[in-house]
Amino acid sequence: GALVYQYPRRTICKSGTSMRMECQAVGFQATSVAWYRQSPQKTFELIALSTVNSAIKYEQNFTQEKFPISHPNLSFSSMTVLNAYLEDRGLYLCGAREAGDAEQFFGPGTRLTVL
Amino acid sequence: GDQVEQSPSALSLHEGTSSALRCNFTTTTRSVQWFRQNSRGSLINLFYLASGTKENGRLKSAFDSKELYSTLHIRDAQLEDSGTYFCAANSAGNKLTFGIGTRVLVRP
Repeated sequence: GALVYQYPRRTICKSGTSMRMECQAVGFQATSVAWYRQSPQKTFELIALSTVNSAIKYEQNFTQEKFPISHPNLSFSSMTVLNAYLEDRGLYLCGAREAGDAEQFFGPGTRLTVL
Repeated sequence: GDQVEQSPSALSLHEGTSSALRCNFTTTTRSVQWFRQNSRGSLINLFYLASGTKENGRLKSAFDSKELYSTLHIRDAQLEDSGTYFCAANSAGNKLTFGIGTRVLVRP
């Protein structure tokens, strides 16, 4: 079956520091990887969509300078939150799919707390 | 405006009863997914539909791509059905856009 792992599951960082989170797809080819953030009491905001061998597309209000993403192969992606501040706290989810409109599978998320 | 309008925002059910959640889409949607988010935050895949209906146990989902809506029916609700349910529309640019979620509480 299709599985997506994320690590770390939880992380705490000091305001102004950075943290990196990773996403691993098992059992299928993660041609497309999307990173989302769920802030407290909110729904899921798309940060960026990455397709192997294509440019990464960032949504409005999210930039590569703040959330650099790597998607080097069909099973792995990582995203860094640079200079994290209070408004960056939340649950970061990685969703992966084999093709553009195929079913998307999500990892369990990385919960970021910023002190 | 919001591309995915999900309702209700909260739902309280007695064990054994049935109810439905609905998502309306304001733009062309190629497929829809339904998830349940558990207490730890994990999104559990319930359904993926490009059209028609699917059933899995006590859950049933339908997607009408012409009328731009999808429904999720919960039949004979059990305590373990409690959680937050999200629909998500797959639309232009292969983006998955989520609804605001429905908090479902099943009471004994």
